[in-house]
Amino acid sequence: NAGVTQTPKFRILKIGQSMTLQCTQDMNHNYMYWYRQDPGMGLKLIYYSVGAGITDKGEVPNGYNVSRSTTEDFPLRLELAAPSQTSVYFCASSYSMESVDEQYFGPGTRLTVT
Amino acid sequence: AQSVTQLDSHVSVSEGTPVLLRCNYSSSYSPSLFWYVQHPNKGLQLLLKYTSAATLVKGINGFEAEFKKSETSFHLTKPSAHMSDAAEYFCVVSELNTGRRALTFGSGTRLQVQP
Repeated sequence: NAGVTQTPKFRILKIGQSMTLQCTQDMNHNYMYWYRQDPGMGLKLIYYSVGAGITDKGEVPNGYNVSRSTTEDFPLRLELAAPSQTSVYFCASSYSMESVDEQYFGPGTRLTVT
Repeated sequence: AQSVTQLDSHVSVSEGTPVLLRCNYSSSYSPSLFWYVQHPNKGLQLLLKYTSAATLVKGINGFEAEFKKSETSFHLTKPSAHMSDAAEYFCVVSELNTGRRALTFGSGTRLQVQP
């Protein structure tokens, strides 16, 4: 199993540009998540999905959109990029939403908006 | 509401000496608690988790953590540090509240291991 994969690894955007961060998992997990990690901070939840076709907002959803057309893929879309979106983005997946369940993380996408 | 406080942003130890990374939490419910490790330019990897089965939890790479409800703490320890332990460590509290799982991360502790 490759686990959770993310592309690209790095990206530099100009203010106002758009991009999609890709996330794929091969563990047949129903639950997927997007987090951002700002310097010196823990991760904050942007969006999550409980299955194909179902998504919901997390703690910091403004400026982002998601879709979930398949179990495997959970892309994150940035429209009109802003410097405040400079961060490292992590995708994760889990088997269930039970509080005891481990989340599996991808390697991250480092995004800079200038 | 739940919260996590990692009491040290940086910890530096010598190789072969004990490691202690401190974490306090608050939770309205019976939480699950995790420690994750993040090596440079890598994703997060689970070290161990507490799920109310036993208060002393053993994880990978010789790490363990003790859940102390009276002190609302979940400190991470290792008897003898190795150079490969140098990384960022996150304490995480997880609750299932009103049907939605809430995961709260601490701000992280960077562990340096000196030769």
